[in-house]
Amino acid sequence: DIVMTQSPDSLAVSLGERATINCKSSQSLLYSSNNKNYLGWYQQKPGQPPKLLIYWASTRESGVPDRFSGSGSGTDFTLTISSLQAEDVAVYYCQQYFNDPYSFGQGTKLGIK
Amino acid sequence: QLQLQESGPGLVKPSETLSLTCTVSGGSISSSNYYWGWIRQPPGKGLEWIGNIYYRGNTYYNPSLKSRVTISVDTSKNQFSLKLSPVTAADTAVYYCARTEVVSVAAPYDSWGQGTLVTVSS
Repeated sequence: DIVMTQSPDSLAVSLGERATINCKSSQSLLYSSNNKNYLGWYQQKPGQPPKLLIYWASTRESGVPDRFSGSGSGTDFTLTISSLQAEDVAVYYCQQYFNDPYSFGQGTKLGIK
Repeated sequence: QLQLQESGPGLVKPSETLSLTCTVSGGSISSSNYYWGWIRQPPGKGLEWIGNIYYRGNTYYNPSLKSRVTISVDTSKNQFSLKLSPVTAADTAVYYCARTEVVSVAAPYDSWGQGTLVTVSS
């Protein structure tokens, strides 16, 4: 099974500053036949379901603000929020969909400093 | 606009069967473009994939739960269902139903229900 490990577990950033969350997989998520990384990022606010932000490691879901970006390939990935807004306070999860069983990182709790 | 809604008992006794249904509206569960899945989240913890189903009945389960899980689909009602048996306190969680696109390997979940809390307790 693929293990997903996020860092840090929690993070506090000032409004308007950059926030960076890392995700590492125990094996490569790069599918050689299409050169895509099978990695997604979700945002979960209290009492709400997860919301898909990024898929294929770097493609923004429709309607997601462009301050959210994803990068990385293989086993190391990053979610960046370029300028933190108050509404971005949430827990963020990465998920691999390369191999069944699909697995999630443990989550990173993002708050305001 | 696609909506998914979970329903079922909020309290289940240990050793019994957890049964939930997800009703899909605003779209057809019989679309060849999507799988339908269940994911759970214990209180204050992370997300665990339970399994997926295709409208034709093809199922894919997490091996850690496979011996206890059954996912089924009822295309006439635009619903799919989850059964987990027998349950223990460790199965207490918010259960989400969600949709994922059919692609060459797999895809993330792009639409989710609001979730329903199931507590396992006597």
